[in-house]
Amino acid sequence: EIVLTQSPGTLSLSPGERATLSCRASQSVTSNNVAWYQHTPGRAPRLLIYGGSRRATGIPDRFSGSGSGTDFTLTITRLESEDFAVYYCQHLGLTFGGGTKVEI
Amino acid sequence: QVQLVQSGAEVKMPGASVRVSCEASGYRFRSYGFTWVRQAPGQGLEWMGWINVYNGDTNYARKLQGRVTMTADTSTNTAYMDLRSLRNDDTAVYYCARDSGGSYLDHWGQGTLVTVSS
Repeated sequence: EIVLTQSPGTLSLSPGERATLSCRASQSVTSNNVAWYQHTPGRAPRLLIYGGSRRATGIPDRFSGSGSGTDFTLTITRLESEDFAVYYCQHLGLTFGGGTKVEI
Repeated sequence: QVQLVQSGAEVKMPGASVRVSCEASGYRFRSYGFTWVRQAPGQGLEWMGWINVYNGDTNYARKLQGRVTMTADTSTNTAYMDLRSLRNDDTAVYYCARDSGGSYLDHWGQGTLVTVSS
């Protein structure tokens, strides 16, 4: 079973700054099978990135995904107030990482 | 547009069972699977299992096998998640999500809070 480890656990940033979130898999995976979600308290999770780097419908281009093998990254350029949330990576629609909280 | 609407909050005693429903609209129901995910208080997202709506195949998280059953009714476009022998640590918000080809979840229900307490 593949384990996904996200880091850091919490990222404290200000609006306008850049956020770089890491997701490391316990063994090499196909980037096509990596997705990222945003979860804001009281709301349903939202798909941001699928296939490792493809933005989901309606997702602004300040969100981008990259990586291969065991190391994957979600980058948010120019943080906006609505971006402060918890972010999860997922492999193959199954295992979730533990999440990274992006806070002000 | 795609919509997934879940049933309302439930309060259950330990040892009881709960059924959460997820009614889908806006797409061809049989063409996609459903994944169920839960989030306990203060915890992250936990994958519970998946059902192939077309043929009924299921795949459950190892820790829930024997207590969880996922089904789908194609006549009402509704997916169901049944959890038995409830324990206090089953208290969580339960989400259904449309599985888009087995590698990502592109639409989510609003969540259903299940509270297990004596």
